[in-house]
Formats: sequence, structure tokens, C-alpha cells
Amino acid sequence: TQLLEQSPQFLSIQEGENLTVYCNSSSVFSSLQWYRQEPGEGPVLLVTVVTGGEVKKLKRLTFQFGDARKDSSLHITAAQPGDTGLYLCAGDNFGNEKLTFGTGTRLTIIP
Amino acid sequence: NAGVTQTPKFQVLKTGQSMTLQCAQDMNHEYMSWYRQDPGMGLRLIHYSVGAGITDQGEVPNGYNVSRSTTEDFPLRLLSAAPSQTSVYFCASSDTSGGSYNEQFFGPGTRLTVL
Repeated sequence: TQLLEQSPQFLSIQEGENLTVYCNSSSVFSSLQWYRQEPGEGPVLLVTVVTGGEVKKLKRLTFQFGDARKDSSLHITAAQPGDTGLYLCAGDNFGNEKLTFGTGTRLTIIP
Repeated sequence: NAGVTQTPKFQVLKTGQSMTLQCAQDMNHEYMSWYRQDPGMGLRLIHYSVGAGITDQGEVPNGYNVSRSTTEDFPLRLLSAAPSQTSVYFCASSDTSGGSYNEQFFGPGTRLTVL
């Protein structure tokens, strides 16, 4: 079974600070997705990274896929209360129709 | 376009009872799946389907059954509920055309408590 470990599990920071969330595995994935989930709702896709070393930016969010395609990071610049939520990474195992989800990072931004 | 819908939103069962969680999508997606979400464990795949008439087991299939008679519907059946099945259940669908890394669209979830 492939595992995706996310760290930290919980993170609480002040508005305006920067933060990085990590998603690590010993397995290689063909692509990595990041989702954000708000209370009482299902996860919503933020981005998909598919090439080793790829960096994608979504406004204040920067996503990076590791060179070996085993890890990924999410960096948020100048965090805002609207960034609060559960962040999940999910790895695609070369098209076998199953996504492996990480353990999640619960982020709280304090106004 | 409603996306992925799930019913009920909340359910309380007694140990040993059976029930069906409903899931429907109106996006004509071939791929549908069921996940359970427990604290600190992310989302774990229960069962999935790549098209009508085809289902397969995921990571944690024991105690659950599925069927896929139409493209739109993918119900999840709990055969004999146990307290270990207390969880939040999410149904998801995706378009499988064009490659393997396709966006999963999730429903709002069903919060199930088994006493």
C-alpha cells in the first residue's frame, strides 16, 4: 500500500505569515494533486502537478513536485483567514484509477 | 448542473442495522468512487467503478457493497453496521478521458454514526 505522509498535521499561524506544508512518500507517483476541504464540504481540487521539479503558482499559493516525483510541497505567502481549511495531497499511481490520499494538514489562520 | 449529490447528510444507526448511502452525478463521468474520512487518516478508498456494470475494491472494502447499474448512480451499502464504520463518507466522480490525472469532484459527504 502506498502511503502519503503530510506534515505538519496541524498548523495555526497569524494572518500575514508564510507557511509550507509537506507531502512525502517512498513511492513514485505519476502526478500529485492538492485539494482543500472546508468544514462540512467535500475536497476541492487546487492544482495538479505532473512533471518532476514542476512548480505551479495559484495567486499566493506555490506548489512544487519533487524531482523524483515522491514528494510535494505547498507554500502559502501572506496567509489570510480564507486559507483556513484541511489541505490534502493525493497521488496518482500511473493511471490505475486509484488516488492515494495523504493524511492531511489542518491549517488555521488567525486574524 | 448539480455535480455530485449525496443523501442522507446525517445518519445514526444501531449496530447490526443495514442501510444504503446514495450518490448521484450529472456530469456523465465514467469513474465513481467512495471514500471514508477519519481523523488523521485522510481519505481511504472503499470501492470504485470505472463504468456501469464494473466495480472493484479499494483499500478498505470489508463491510461494504456497491453496484453500478447506471452511469449516474453509485450507491454504497452497509450490510451490518458496526461502530468502526462511524465516519464521514464521500462519493466522488471524475472524467477518465484524456489521461490518468483527472480532477475528482466530491459530494458534500454523509456523516454516519453507528451506536
